[in-house]
Amino acid sequence: DGGITQSPKYLFRKEGQNVTLSCEQNLNHDAMYWYRQDPGQGLRLIYYSQIVNDFQKGDIAEGYSVSREKKESFPLTVTSAQKNPTAFYLCASSNAAAVGYGYTFGSGTRLTVV
Amino acid sequence: AQKVTQAQTEISVVEKEDVTLDCVYETRDTTYYLFWYKQPPSGELVFLIRRNSFDEQNEISGRYSWNFQKSTSSFNFTITASQVVDSAVYFCALISNNAGNMLTFGGGTRLMVKP
Repeated sequence: DGGITQSPKYLFRKEGQNVTLSCEQNLNHDAMYWYRQDPGQGLRLIYYSQIVNDFQKGDIAEGYSVSREKKESFPLTVTSAQKNPTAFYLCASSNAAAVGYGYTFGSGTRLTVV
Repeated sequence: AQKVTQAQTEISVVEKEDVTLDCVYETRDTTYYLFWYKQPPSGELVFLIRRNSFDEQNEISGRYSWNFQKSTSSFNFTITASQVVDSAVYFCALISNNAGNMLTFGGGTRLMVKP
């Protein structure tokens, strides 16, 4: 079955450490996205990529980095520069040629800084 | 610019009550798509419905129904005879052909259904 896989489901990080969240899709989608969600809040866009080897900053990119070396993969690194990284992170993908179908979402990674 | 507003941040009902979640949108495009997603406590976003701007037919799926009115730029979602399993956060979203494939979300409505 096609879909998006995010791993790990739960992640604990010590302050000052970088950590990378994985996002893989087998839907052959061109575009991929990363969102952050704080408790009781909506979704905020961190980064997105419409095509391999290209990505754009979203609304809250500071303290995060991404890469898009393969169509299937869009990992997100939470760097030590991100002052408050504890949050729920959602990855999504879409077919840029089929705007009307919206996004497909992964199951999320819950990151906690300890 | 696109915008989606879900004015109700939190709604609490008792099981078997009907509840309507409001969604108002703004866009200058004539071709656009509206969505509703459900986010249960586990966190993943579950797709519920998609509606394009040229189809104003209301839709019913079991206990769920959606009312799309272009005249008021609204796409409201009604749950009939609510159940505890309906407790979740519900997001309304908008995408248009001229928005670079970017989905705009509302702030979400947290629905709590009490037994």
